[in-house]
Amino acid sequence: DVKVTQSSRYLVKRTGEKVFLECVQDMDHENMFWYRQDPGLGLRLIYFSYDVKMKEKGDIPEGYSVSREKKERFSLILESASTNQTSMYLCASSYWPPGQGSHEQFFGPGTRLTVL
Amino acid sequence: GDSVTQMEGPVTLSEEAFLTINCTYTATGYPSLFWYVQYPGEGLQLLLKATKADDKGSNKGFEATYRKETTSFHLEKGSVQVSDSAVYFCALNAGNQFYFGTGTSLTVIP
Repeated sequence: DVKVTQSSRYLVKRTGEKVFLECVQDMDHENMFWYRQDPGLGLRLIYFSYDVKMKEKGDIPEGYSVSREKKERFSLILESASTNQTSMYLCASSYWPPGQGSHEQFFGPGTRLTVL
Repeated sequence: GDSVTQMEGPVTLSEEAFLTINCTYTATGYPSLFWYVQYPGEGLQLLLKATKADDKGSNKGFEATYRKETTSFHLEKGSVQVSDSAVYFCALNAGNQFYFGTGTSLTVIP
């Protein structure tokens, strides 16, 4: 089974702190994603990566950055945390097999971040 | 652009009741469609999928049929259980892009 793990289930930080959220997948997937999940808004894509050292902005990248130095690890960074970044953060990975029309995402358990 | 719209919740049903959660989509090409489920305190898990028109996805008693003519992928279950209480997300995949609905919370009471 594909396993996607996230470094923390719950995290509490103060405004202005630099925050690192780590995600690791063990199935050699090329694609990795960071979402935030808020009530009534569903999942919103922050950043995604198709390969090591590459990244693409999603729908709401402001206030976030990412790092992908190794294929299995995708980090989300809040450079200066703010209260409006209090949310559930979900990491996902996927692999698109050649010749197949579609593929699915595999999700981690989520990190609930509270910024005070 | 591509998008997914799903029925607002929350939905509360008695055990053994029939469940329908509506989902419609907008897409320019030929997307694949998914239902994911999120149990309390967990991430999303794939529940079922359909990759082309008229395909029916099924799993754990849940079913959904890919209807191109109505651009819909409604989730159904004939008899819900308390253990089905969760949030359900309809999703679309087109290429390397994924689009999710806002989620529908289901509570099943004994």
